[in-house]
Parts: sequence; C-alpha cells; structure tokens
Amino acid sequence: DAKTTQPPSMDCAEGRAANLPCNHSTISGNEYVYWYRQIHSQGPQYIIHGLKNNETNEMASLIITEDRKSSTLILPHATLRDTAVYYCIVRVYGNEKLTFGTGTRLTIIP
Amino acid sequence: KAGVTQTPRYLIKTRGQQVTLSCSPISGHRSVSWYQQTPGQGLQFLFEYFSETQRNKGNFPGRFSGRQFSNSRSEMNVSTLELGDSALYLCASSLDGYEQYFGPGTRLTVT
Repeated sequence: DAKTTQPPSMDCAEGRAANLPCNHSTISGNEYVYWYRQIHSQGPQYIIHGLKNNETNEMASLIITEDRKSSTLILPHATLRDTAVYYCIVRVYGNEKLTFGTGTRLTIIP
Repeated sequence: KAGVTQTPRYLIKTRGQQVTLSCSPISGHRSVSWYQQTPGQGLQFLFEYFSETQRNKGNFPGRFSGRQFSNSRSEMNVSTLELGDSALYLCASSLDGYEQYFGPGTRLTVT
C-alpha cells in the first residue's frame, strides 16, 4: 500500500470549515483513499472514501486532485465533537489490511 | 443495527499468562480484522479472518493467534504475555471490502 503524509496537528475554530490535507504521491491506480478518525480511546470511525472523483456524505467531503497524489478532507462546520486524530489511508479494494500512519490531531477551538 | 462489540472491555493479566479476547461483528459482516494500538507503535494490523479462514496477517510473533467461528464471531489469543503486549486491541468488521467498522476495543494491561 502507498504511504501517506499528514501534518501532525491542526487547529480550527468552531463553526469554520476544517481542511485536512494528505499527500499520497505514490498511490497506484487501483488504490482508494480512505479517511478515518479516532476520538480519544475509542475505536476508529470511518468517515469517507474515494477513488478519483470528489465525494461527499453527511459527515464530510473528500477532494482528490486530478493526479491523485493528494487529497483534502473537509469538515464543513466543525464542532467541538470533531476534535480527534484523523487518519488518511490508501488501500486496494478487497485488501482488508488498513495501514495507519500517525495521522493529524485536529483540535477544534471554541 | 448493533455495532461491533468486544469483550471484555478491560483486562489485567500477569506476565506469562495467556489471554483470549472476543469480537462480535455487525450482523451480516463476514470479515473480521484485529489491530493493536500502543502509544509507541500506533495502530498496527494483526490479522484478518473471512469465512473462518485467515486471509491476511500482519507482522506479529506467533504468540498472537486468532480464529473465526461459523457465525463470524472472532477471538484472538495472546500466549505467554509480555509487558509490551499492554495495548488497546481493536476489532473491525466489514461487509463488502469497503468500509471497516471498529469496535470500542479491549484495553489489556500486563503487569
């Protein structure tokens, strides 16, 4: 699986959009981009995934660049409950192994 | 629909003992994966079971083993516990190979 690079930490004001970047410059054509988050001491929570098109669900939006070498997770209106570690993972469909990096610790500031 | 459940939630064991952790996947999910999370190594993949067969394995010693039953419930076993095995053990299940849903984890402390 391709490696990902994320900033170790970010702050965002409550109510603003949180934009979390991820670099995956060695991604292969059949690898998807997944985002999970982990709130302190809980199990990771699936957020969203995509292959090459932008995706949106009730939690977030995922923007993948045209060359697929990077992506951005957008939380449109951040709340205090969005404070967590966010993990960007690339993965081949059908391979259940998730390779977690160190993620980005996002802190939402009141 | 009930989520992934793990039992027990907390466990304290002594070095040299063995331990068995249990995971019940979301109804209908046939794939169960196990992860270990420690402050030093982060989240690491242990193994994955699908239809009672180990389909994928991480880089852990043979003291770590698992199995899956016909109802998709899974157990993992750690024998001859070491202090370094103290960790949060997470189980995840999936239906179709896309999203994995994680349980709350079992916090194992080895003294």
